[in-house]
Amino acid sequence: GQQLNQSPQSMFIQEGEDVSMNCTSSSIFNTWLWYKQDPGEGPVLLIALYKAGELTSNGRLTAQFGITRKDSFLNISASIPSDVGIYFCAGLASNTGKLIFGQGTTLQVKP
Amino acid sequence: DSGVTQTPKHLITATGQRVTLRCSPRSGDLSVYWYQQSLDQGLQFLIQYYNGEERAKGNILERFSAQQFPDLHSELNLSSLELGDSALYFCASSKDSHLNYGYTFGSGTRLTVV
Repeated sequence: GQQLNQSPQSMFIQEGEDVSMNCTSSSIFNTWLWYKQDPGEGPVLLIALYKAGELTSNGRLTAQFGITRKDSFLNISASIPSDVGIYFCAGLASNTGKLIFGQGTTLQVKP
Repeated sequence: DSGVTQTPKHLITATGQRVTLRCSPRSGDLSVYWYQQSLDQGLQFLIQYYNGEERAKGNILERFSAQQFPDLHSELNLSSLELGDSALYFCASSKDSHLNYGYTFGSGTRLTVV
């Protein structure tokens, strides 16, 4: 079935560093979403991308919808301790209309 | 507060039992989605309802069922529970069935089967 390959699986970085994570698939997606999940909470939408090539920012976060529509990346600049959490990519499959989630990237930030 | 309310927050039950998880979507949202999150499986889509009707089905076991009521709240019923059903169960809602506005997730129900 369709799946998203999200990498890296986990990251441990120093406060102030930039972070980059990505999702790839062999399938085409119409929409890419990036979520963050804090412990004990549900995922919260960070950025939504609706068009191939689209580059969108939300504060220190920047995400891009790949030109091929098969990938997306999320960058976090100047990381801070509250960036800690699990980041999920999600793609809306063009043929099924279902939202597929990546396995998540666990981010830890050392003060 | 995301506006999506899930109850209960925690549930501990024995194998073979049946439980019901409840979700109230955000005001104005017509679609409700159920997801299961376990440690090794990530977020797995179970089922979607739109305005009371089943709209899409994912990897939902036959022992599980769901419904959406006229007031748009939804219930996920899990029966003949097994140890492997222990997971976080999330409900999400959206305005329509086409993801134009993204999903809003609730805080989840943590189910522990012992």
